[in-house]
Amino acid sequence: DAGVTQSPTHLIKTRGQQVTLRCSPKSGHDTVSWYQQALGQGPQFIFQYYEEEERQRGNFPDRFSGHQFPNYSSELNVNALLLGDSALYLCASSLWEEKKAFFGQGTRLTVV
Amino acid sequence: GQNIDQPTEMTATEGAIVQINCTYQTSGFNGLFWYQQHAGEAPTFLSYNVLDGLEEKGRFSSFLSRSKGYSYLLLKELQMKDSASYLCAVVGWGLDQGGKLIFGQGTELSVKP
Repeated sequence: DAGVTQSPTHLIKTRGQQVTLRCSPKSGHDTVSWYQQALGQGPQFIFQYYEEEERQRGNFPDRFSGHQFPNYSSELNVNALLLGDSALYLCASSLWEEKKAFFGQGTRLTVV
Repeated sequence: GQNIDQPTEMTATEGAIVQINCTYQTSGFNGLFWYQQHAGEAPTFLSYNVLDGLEEKGRFSSFLSRSKGYSYLLLKELQMKDSASYLCAVVGWGLDQGGKLIFGQGTELSVKP
């Protein structure tokens, strides 16, 4: 049973560019949440998708957008990258009616 | 507002017991998680408390007091592999049942021989 998988594991981008990160949830899960974790900090909630709709959003600018596909997988898109966007991006999957979330290994994004 | 506090760093000796505290003030409460995160890896689930009291699972136990906005994670018989960051996270209220996790900054635990 595959857990939560994210791709790519590492990425280097230049300021101003756009990036797309991908997440496949744990088998049987229908809800995907994205988090940003800066070095030495706890993860911060970006947004959550269920039934292909954004259900909740954290305090992140519109440069951060996402999508969920019919197979429950999800993408996180960040436009006009800033140096401050450098972080570990974590995807978590769960069942909508449950609270327990499982995390992927994350994508380490470096903006130069 | 939303605020979750936990100590930044703790050091303990192999074989000992350590308690990591977490206090929270959130606009809603729908349970509290503890996760373990080794450097460069994903957070892994340790415990979930939604009712007051102590939940024990092997060497790890977690306690919750909702009236005090307080939780702790107790690690017994510490092993070197327990050196990691421990994240306290509160499940906030969502529009429906799917709540978001509000994390503290994490407590970096170092276990010494």
